[in-house]
Amino acid sequence: ETGVTQTPRHLVMGMTNKKSLKCEQHLGHNAMYWYKQSAKKPLELMFVYNFKEQTENNSVPSRFSPECPNSSHLFLHLHTLQPEDSALYLCASSQELGLGSPLHFGNGTRLTVT
Amino acid sequence: AQKITQTQPGMFVQEKEAVTLDCTYDTSDQSYGLFWYKQPSSGEMIFLIYQGSYDEQNATEGRYSLNFQKARKSANLVISASQLGDSAMYFCAMREGKGAGKSTFGDGTTLTVKP
Repeated sequence: ETGVTQTPRHLVMGMTNKKSLKCEQHLGHNAMYWYKQSAKKPLELMFVYNFKEQTENNSVPSRFSPECPNSSHLFLHLHTLQPEDSALYLCASSQELGLGSPLHFGNGTRLTVT
Repeated sequence: AQKITQTQPGMFVQEKEAVTLDCTYDTSDQSYGLFWYKQPSSGEMIFLIYQGSYDEQNATEGRYSLNFQKARKSANLVISASQLGDSAMYFCAMREGKGAGKSTFGDGTTLTVKP
């Protein structure tokens, strides 16, 4: 399998649930990202990992907890979410953090918090 | 101030015609990169084209070209010979030299290609 794979594609969870989003990249890239895409809002960067070390936390609430065990895998652990957290969560990877390194995205997880 | 501005929420183009999607940016960095991404209704964001701030030639990738006007801080995407499959949301994005991997995205433009 090639590219960036995200699971699950769709997730419905209650506010008291705990769930995790998974992302795997098969591109040999060194950097991985979580983005949030809400309706009528531009893409919001959440977290950046480079060589599995977190380099950016864009003031994300603690109910979102990322984990990057290696350069190929990235998780987003979710707990006690709010309805406004409902959105499309996109994982991306890039060869490096440099200017000319484009992002390669997965298909996203459509999250609905009830 | 917004770093990436896409002023066209929606655009229509006739199949086989060319279309230009506008993007202006704001940065004080001398080194930056500009990107365009396509997002079909399926949700996946697809990288289309890249332009570096020091590149003197406009970038081209197949039917896509980037009209880079540095003094005006604009990086418009030109799609030639539009196809029905080009109907999608298009995002302009920028990476700044001091941004440490952060990409800033515009609000996007929805392109509809008419048969």
